[in-house]
Amino acid sequence: AQRVTQPEKLLSVFKGAPVELKCNYSYSGSPELFWYVQYSRQRLQLLLRHISRESIKGFTADLNKGETSFHLKKPFAQEEDSAMYYCALNYGGSQGNLIFGKGTKLSVKP
Amino acid sequence: DTGVSQDPRHKITKRGQNVTFRCDPISEHNRLYWYRQTLGQGPEFLTYFQNEAQLEKSRLLSDRFSAERPKGSFSTLEIQRTEQGDSAMYLCASSPILLQAMNTEAFFGQGTRLTVV
Repeated sequence: AQRVTQPEKLLSVFKGAPVELKCNYSYSGSPELFWYVQYSRQRLQLLLRHISRESIKGFTADLNKGETSFHLKKPFAQEEDSAMYYCALNYGGSQGNLIFGKGTKLSVKP
Repeated sequence: DTGVSQDPRHKITKRGQNVTFRCDPISEHNRLYWYRQTLGQGPEFLTYFQNEAQLEKSRLLSDRFSAERPKGSFSTLEIQRTEQGDSAMYLCASSPILLQAMNTEAFFGQGTRLTVV
């Protein structure tokens, strides 16, 4: 069965420290993976997708099929990065048929 | 705000009552999705429309739940005989159909928070 696991409910770091939010997935097909972010009182929005291999707001994520992981990384955390982060797996042809992890709350302290 | 719009933002209802939520997707987005999010969980997929056709329904969508998108524009999600376990945030999202699927993304609304007392 398809599953997305985010092992950390809360990750707390100081400003300027590196950040890694973990995501592991279980999927028998060819996965499409995403990171969504929800800032306080804002709607869920796409941060990045593995297909694009892009860096958004300094965040990157590499798909590792051997380890079935899609960890989100940023070398120097900023206070404005504090938010809920959700890893998601697209299991269907439509980009919206997503399986989400439970999310990790990132708190960046000054 | 030209994003996905949901109404109402909050709904408190008594157990056993029926409730209906509305979602207005981004104009010209063919696909529309409903998700449910309970406390401490990520969003869980409920159902999805392409234009007016409901193409997929999750096992989470019990017989008490029904969703429609009659003209391929806005959608409604109705819950009949609400139960306390239905208390959650109900999220709507929409996406376009593009030739290059990798360029699409799902845009989420701000959700309707349902509390069943």
